[in-house]
Amino acid sequence: AAGVIQSPRHLIKEKRETATLKCYPIPRHDTVYWYQQGPGQDPQFLISFYEKMQSDKGSIPDRFSAQQFSDYHSELNMSSLELGDSALYFCASSLRTSGRAPYEQYFGPGTRLTVT
Amino acid sequence: GDSVTQMEGPVTLSEEACLTINCTYTATGYPSLFWYVQYPGEGLQLLLKATKADDKGSNKGFEATYRKETTSFHLEKGSVQVSDSAVYFCALTASRKTSYDKVIFGPGTSLSVIP
Repeated sequence: AAGVIQSPRHLIKEKRETATLKCYPIPRHDTVYWYQQGPGQDPQFLISFYEKMQSDKGSIPDRFSAQQFSDYHSELNMSSLELGDSALYFCASSLRTSGRAPYEQYFGPGTRLTVT
Repeated sequence: GDSVTQMEGPVTLSEEACLTINCTYTATGYPSLFWYVQYPGEGLQLLLKATKADDKGSNKGFEATYRKETTSFHLEKGSVQVSDSAVYFCALTASRKTSYDKVIFGPGTSLSVIP
C-alpha cells in the first residue's frame, strides 16, 4: 500500500540558510500535518492543512511557513535556519472526508534536518 | 490543555519478560488514544488505538485498554522480544471538534530488550 512520502530524507544546511521539505500524502488523503521531533524529544505539532486551507496551527515559528497544493502535496519552508531547528520533521496524512473521527494519521519516514 | 504522561525510561528487560508502560492523560471529553512505536532510525508507526472507554486496542501481542475512570491507557505485552526494542509514545487526539487535527504525544519511553 502507498505510504506518505517525504523528501529529502536528509538535509544539511548552514545557519541562516533556507530549507524546503516536501510531503506527498497517501493518495486520496485530504489532510496533511507537520510535526517536529527534536533529539530525544516527542514529536510536536506544527501545522495542518485540510483541502489546501490551514486547519490548525501549533508551535510553528514565524520563520516557518507551509502550504498545501492542488495535488494535496505540502511543503514546509524554513528560513533563517538556527541550530535549534535541527530535528526530524514528520509529515502525516489522513482522510477527513470519511467523516469518522478520529482521523487516523499515517506518518511518513521523516526528513532529518541538520543545521550547522 | 490536553496532555499525556508516560513512565520514565529507559526500560531494560530480558527477553520473554512482561512489559507494562504506564500512560495517563488529561483531556476534556472523550479523546481517542494511541500507542505509536519508533524503531531506531525510523519513523512513527501506529501500534494500536482505542476510541472509546473500555475499548481494548491490540496488535503484535501488545494490548492497551482505554480506562476513562483512571484516565489511563497502559501498554502491556506478556513476553517481549529483542525486536521490540524501540521508543514507545502514548498519544491522544482531542475530542473537541476544533482540535481534531493534532496528535498530542507523551514524552516517549525507550525500551531495550536484551537476550
